[in-house]
Amino acid sequence: AQSVSQHNHHVILSEAASLELGCNYSYGGTVNLFWYVQYPGQHLQLLLKYFSGDPLVKGIKGFEAEFIKSKFSFNLRKPSVQWSDTAEYFCAALSNFGNEKLTFGTGTRLTIIP
Amino acid sequence: EPEVTQTPSHQVTQMGQEVILRCVPISNHLYFYWYRQILGQKVEFLVSFYNNEISEKSEIFDDQFSVERPDGSNFTLKIRSTKLEDSAMYFCASSPRDTQYFGPGTRLTVL
Repeated sequence: AQSVSQHNHHVILSEAASLELGCNYSYGGTVNLFWYVQYPGQHLQLLLKYFSGDPLVKGIKGFEAEFIKSKFSFNLRKPSVQWSDTAEYFCAALSNFGNEKLTFGTGTRLTIIP
Repeated sequence: EPEVTQTPSHQVTQMGQEVILRCVPISNHLYFYWYRQILGQKVEFLVSFYNNEISEKSEIFDDQFSVERPDGSNFTLKIRSTKLEDSAMYFCASSPRDTQYFGPGTRLTVL
């Protein structure tokens, strides 16, 4: 069965620090990968996605993620975080195009200290 | 930019009561989903819906749950007889094909 794991449960950084949140997936076939963000009191918003092609994908708000097939990883990065990046970040995988379900990781809570 | 909307934002109910959670997906989307997130746990898939029928459901989605698209715009999740463990945040999502867009969620509290 497909699974997604996020090993960092809570990350605390100071403003301007660099960020990397880990995501590993377990799936033998073609997989499409996503990062969603949930700001306090708000709904899940799509940050970025990877389907194919360039393994380094850029998303909104300066975030990027790198798909490394050999490591089954899709880590999220941002070179310099801001206080407004405080949120919960979810990695998710989709096994096929179409009406397949998303499998989510447990989420990483990011707290940015001003 | 079009968004998925959900009502109500918070629903409090007594155990054993029926609840209906409502969602308005993005208008040109074809695929619809319900997920839930129990406090402190991961977001879990409940059901997907396409072409007016359920395409996939999880083991959570038992006979107490049903979904409907009654009028071509709304997409509802009904829980017939709520249990304490149904307390969670319920998210609706819609997709044109391969990217799912989520609504703000309905917090269901079962007392």
